[in-house]
Amino acid sequence: DAGITQSPRHKVTETGTPVTLRCHQTENHRYMYWYRQDPGHGLRLIHYSYGVKDTDKGEVSDGYSVSRSKTEDFLLTLESATSSQTSVYFCAISEPGGQGGHEQFFGPGTRLTVL
Amino acid sequence: AQSVTQLGSHVSVSEGALVLLRCNYSSSVPPYLFWYVQYPNQGLQLLLKYTSAATLVKGINGFEAEFKKSETSFHLTKPSAHMSDAAEYFCAVSDRGGNQFYFGTGTSLTVIP
Repeated sequence: DAGITQSPRHKVTETGTPVTLRCHQTENHRYMYWYRQDPGHGLRLIHYSYGVKDTDKGEVSDGYSVSRSKTEDFLLTLESATSSQTSVYFCAISEPGGQGGHEQFFGPGTRLTVL
Repeated sequence: AQSVTQLGSHVSVSEGALVLLRCNYSSSVPPYLFWYVQYPNQGLQLLLKYTSAATLVKGINGFEAEFKKSETSFHLTKPSAHMSDAAEYFCAVSDRGGNQFYFGTGTSLTVIP
């Protein structure tokens, strides 16, 4: 299994509070991603990073920010959590190049509940 | 833009029967295609991928998928379902130059004893 950990694994918070989720990898992969998974929507990309301090928005980035100060860590922050951000959040990593088909490897997920 | 459509959000098969999970993609250029499996309370695990080397791709756990350009499809099959195959399955597409994946909405597979 790819060395990807996410913390916390479960979190319950209240509307309006800030929340930070952490993704840590030991694979030295260049690309890191944050997705949210909701019933009927599959996985939707929030933000991704293609290197230290290099990030870009995904499909559902509103209300989220990210930071990557080290290759191994990618943080997702909800500045002011809302109930619509209740979801399961997955981190993924990939290393493009080679013969192509640069698959993404996924972490175990963080279940966030915003009350 | 890339997109993926998975027909059937829920599929039920009897143990030992053929598994067929459908995936159609939309892409202006030949894409890379992937199938992932997700067991309850776990992350996604790669089953197989298509990168243009061969149109019939074999993956783990006896699954395979065939890339059909004329039908823009990448359906997942397994000849004989096992109880342990019960899970959520996701099809995904990425373009050749990009590093973004676009996932389908998933198909939940139930295996009936």
